[in-house]
Amino acid sequence: KNEVEQSPQNLTAQEGEFITINCSYSVGISALHWLQQHPGGGIVSLFMLSSGKKKHGRLIATINIQEKHSSLHITASHPRDSAVYICAPSNTDKLIFGTGTRLQVFP
Amino acid sequence: KAGVTQTPRYLIKTRGQQVTLSCSPISGHRSVSWYQQTPGQGLQFLFEYFSETQRNKGNFPGRFSGRQFSNSRSEMNVSTLELGDSALYLCASSLGSGLETQYFGPGTRLLVL
Repeated sequence: KNEVEQSPQNLTAQEGEFITINCSYSVGISALHWLQQHPGGGIVSLFMLSSGKKKHGRLIATINIQEKHSSLHITASHPRDSAVYICAPSNTDKLIFGTGTRLQVFP
Repeated sequence: KAGVTQTPRYLIKTRGQQVTLSCSPISGHRSVSWYQQTPGQGLQFLFEYFSETQRNKGNFPGRFSGRQFSNSRSEMNVSTLELGDSALYLCASSLGSGLETQYFGPGTRLLVL
C-alpha cells in the first residue's frame, strides 16, 4: 500500500464546477503540501499546512491530522486550473509524493 | 527576487556517461532539495542539502550524489548513467527551518540513450 493515496486519479469538470481532490496518508508528518504541476513540468506550491484550513483565492485546503486526511477544493473552476495536483506530506524537508490527480476543466 | 534556476534545461546523454546538474536557489534560501520525476515512479525525493551538509537522503543508489556550495548553490551528479535515469530532475529551495513552502525550479529534462 502506498504511503500517500490520492483520489480521484483523473477528474474532468465543466467550467464553474466545485472540485474536490482527496489525499490520505499513512506516515507521521510535520506538514502537508499541495502542489500544482502544469504540462510544461514546472511545479508551484499552492499550500503548506499542518492543521486546519487555508484559503487562497478560489483554492481551499483542509487537513485532519487525526484522520490523516487532507482535501483540496477549487471553487468556480476555470480552464486555467487544468493541471496535475499533487499531495505531498512532509517530515522536515523530506516530501513524500502522491501519484497526483489530473484535472481537466472544459469551457 | 529571482526564482529558482536550473541548468541545463535539457540534456541528452548515453549510457555509461555521467552528468552534473546545477540548481541556484532563491537568494537567502539555505536548503536545496532534489527530486526525480518519471512516468512510472512519479516524484521521488533524492536528497536535501542545508548549509553545505546533506541533511536527508532518499532511497537512490550511490550513483546519485550531490553537494552544496557556500553560496547555497547545489549540484547533483549521476555517474554511470542507465536508461532508467531518464527523467525530469527538479530542485526546490526553502529557508531550511523545516516547516515552510518549497519553491521549485523549472527542472532539467535528462534523456539517456
